[in-house]
Amino acid sequence: NAGVTQTPKFQVLKTGQSMTLQCAQDMNHEYMSWYRQDPGMGLRLIHYSVGAGITDQGEVPNGYNVSRSTTEDFPLRLLSAAPSQTSVYFCASRSNRVGNTIYFGEGSWLTVV
Amino acid sequence: AQSVTQLGSHVSVSEGALVLLRCNYSSSVPPYLFWYVQYPNQGLQLLLKYTTGATLVKGINGFEAEFKKSETSFHLTKPSAHMSDAAEYFCAVRAMNRDDKIIFGKGTRLHILP
Repeated sequence: NAGVTQTPKFQVLKTGQSMTLQCAQDMNHEYMSWYRQDPGMGLRLIHYSVGAGITDQGEVPNGYNVSRSTTEDFPLRLLSAAPSQTSVYFCASRSNRVGNTIYFGEGSWLTVV
Repeated sequence: AQSVTQLGSHVSVSEGALVLLRCNYSSSVPPYLFWYVQYPNQGLQLLLKYTTGATLVKGINGFEAEFKKSETSFHLTKPSAHMSDAAEYFCAVRAMNRDDKIIFGKGTRLHILP
């Protein structure tokens, strides 16, 4: 049972570099999302998608891009990394059934120096 | 729009004592409510959820929560704390409408004192 798989688990970037955090789920879930977790801030929604070809912004979308070309994958792109993007990133997915549970990946620790 | 407020960023209880973690929500439509637990360096694990029906919801590890619409609350309780309960707990809300966003509170770190 793979569930939600995130890669890489750890990454160090230099300011201005770009990178992509990968997220894949094998549960055929329609809904996928990206959160960032910072001390004292809880989890804040970056972007989300309710299905292939559909994405929307969350609470803190600036500096991040997403796309959803398939049901399984939802990559998060940092176009020009900034130290303020140092955080732990979580990908999550769920089905659209009533009362459904959201499943989280194990997290990606990103440091921008 | 929905929002979640967790009272107390840190809560300490003695082993064997009652655990009470507070969560109040704001939602313009009937909500789904969740509690998640996060152990160090791990992702989030669902403890319990409220969708419809019975307002007292039982979850894993002996936790339960009660949905009180009049108080807009969904407090998490456990009768007797165990050392293994030390973790961070997040309350979350999702609206029962087309808005599919799930909004999390800022979290409460639970410390268990021996």
